[in-house]
This record gives sequence, structure tokens and C-alpha cells, in this order.
Amino acid sequence: TQLLEQSPQFLSIQEGENLTVYCNSSSVFSSLQWYRQEPGEGPVLLVTVVTGGEVKKLKRLTFQFGDARKDSSLHITAAQPGDTGLYLCAGKGGNQFYFGTGTSLTVIP
Amino acid sequence: NAGVMQNPRHLVRRRGQEARLRCSPMKGHSHVYWYRQLPEEGLKFMVYLQKENIIDESGMPKERFSAEFPKEGPSILRIQQVVRGDSAAYFCASSPRSGGNSPLHFGNGTRLTVT
Repeated sequence: TQLLEQSPQFLSIQEGENLTVYCNSSSVFSSLQWYRQEPGEGPVLLVTVVTGGEVKKLKRLTFQFGDARKDSSLHITAAQPGDTGLYLCAGKGGNQFYFGTGTSLTVIP
Repeated sequence: NAGVMQNPRHLVRRRGQEARLRCSPMKGHSHVYWYRQLPEEGLKFMVYLQKENIIDESGMPKERFSAEFPKEGPSILRIQQVVRGDSAAYFCASSPRSGGNSPLHFGNGTRLTVT
């Protein structure tokens, strides 16, 4: 079993603040994906990172893949209420995608 | 383009009944994954299928659970003799290929409640 631990589990911040969530594993992944899930809906892909040390930016979101390809982080600048949701990381191992435990983010207006 | 379609969105079953969950993948996608999710938790892998074949069912309980993805028609996740512990959201995802860079496209899930 390839476990992906995410931290923090819950995060509540004020609009305009910055935040970082983490995804850590003892396993090496060839690629890692980040998804956001809103209540009552399925997860939606945000980004795929492939190369160790890679940094990808998606508007106010910055994703980083660790050099050893075991961990990743998601940084959000100037959070907005629309960023509220469950953030999930996922790594491919064998035939399946392993999902992290999730970070539930609430941005208060 | 229609996304991944799951039905029903909500399903209520009494203990001992059968639950059948359906998933129509995106057009052109031949790989289907089923996941189970409890509130405020991540997704737990259940089974991975390609057309007419089960590739990996290591996450699916050996008793009462079965899955299929026929040549024609949707993928079906079937739970026989449901128990209260089966209550959860069940998500289906599809992808066009099996590579690690290929993203998963999720449906909006079926929320099963066992009374």
C-alpha cells in the first residue's frame, strides 16, 4: 500500500491570506496529481506534476513536486471563498491511483 | 462533450437488498476506476476495469461486491446484501489510457444510504 499523507487535514482562513498544503509519502511516484472536490461533486483535476523539482503555476495556485518525487505542495496566494473545497493529491502506483487523505479548506469572506 | 455520468445520484436501500450503481465513461475512454469515499476522507480504490476485463480488483471486498464493464453499456458496481457499513459515496472515474500522466475524469458520484 502506498500511503499519501496530507496536512493539515482541516484549514480555515480569512479571504486574502496565503496558505500551503502538503502531500507526503514514503513511496516514489512517477507523477502526482492534485484535485479539488466541492461538496456533492466529484474531484476535478487541477494539475499533474511529473519531474522531480518541477514547479507549476495555475493563476494563484503554485504546485511543487519534491526532488525525490515523494512529496508535493500546493500554495495558494490571496485565497478567495471560491477556493473552498477538499484538496486531494494522487499518485499512480501499479494499476491504481492512490489518493491522499485530503485537506479540507474553508475560506471565510 | 458529456462528462462521466453516474446514476442514480442518491440510492437508499434497506439492509439485505442489492445496490446497482452505473457509470458511463466519457466518450472514447476505455478505462474505468471505482472509488469509495466516506465524509471528509480521501478516495479509496476499489476496482479498475477496461472494456470487458477486470484489471485490478484488489480494493474491492471479495464477498458481496462485483463490478463489470461490458462491451456495450455502462460499467456496473453491484453490492449484494447491503449492510449499514456500505453507506458511502461511490465515485467512478474514466481515462483514455492507463499511463500515470493520464488524468482521471470523475462523475458526481452515487450516494448510497443503507437503512
